[in-house]
Amino acid sequence: GESVGLHLPTLSVQEGDNSIINCAYSNSASDYFIWYKQESGKGPQFIIDIRSNMDKRQGQRVTVLLNKTVKHLSLQIAATQPGDSAVYFCAVGPGFSGYSTLTFGKGTMLLVSP
Amino acid sequence: KAGVTQTPRYLIKTRGQQVTLSCSPISGHRSVSWYQQTPGQGLQFLFEYFSETQRNKGNFPGRFSGRQFSNSRSEMNVSTLELGDSALYLCASSLAGTAQETQYFGPGTRLLVL
Repeated sequence: GESVGLHLPTLSVQEGDNSIINCAYSNSASDYFIWYKQESGKGPQFIIDIRSNMDKRQGQRVTVLLNKTVKHLSLQIAATQPGDSAVYFCAVGPGFSGYSTLTFGKGTMLLVSP
Repeated sequence: KAGVTQTPRYLIKTRGQQVTLSCSPISGHRSVSWYQQTPGQGLQFLFEYFSETQRNKGNFPGRFSGRQFSNSRSEMNVSTLELGDSALYLCASSLAGTAQETQYFGPGTRLLVL
């Protein structure tokens, strides 16, 4: 089955810095990838997604990069703010043959200092 | 549009009891998935329902079960509770539950088993 690996359990940055959170996946047939943000006491909140026919997608202050060759996914947050402090999860879809079963990484806690 | 709602938000039970958790998906969403979140195992898929049918099930014992009603609301039940069932139970909904659809999460139900 799919496994999703974590690169760093915690990332500490200064306000205004750019943050990069990384994720690795194992199944080369995976074709849908999502980043979620989870604040304390809340459920995961959708940030951005990307499909395997793309290698980059941008949102508001966030960019997701997908490298299918090395099965690596990253989330870049520009001008990080204290409100960005949370746990960030990457999740991988099952591939075209599966229903909506997501496999999650363990998460990276982003700590933003003012 | 209202988000995914889950009730109750907090529950305390004792070993051996059973518990029922409820999830109301986003209006128009017909797929509901359940996940268990623990510090040790992270987010793990439990099962997914669409049109009152369970389409997919994760690797959990038979004590974990669920159902979906005609209005897409879903319940999950855990019988004969064990200490290890203490977790945050998250419900997510999507339109049709296909492999490349975004899932939106509720706030979760935090279950403590004593």
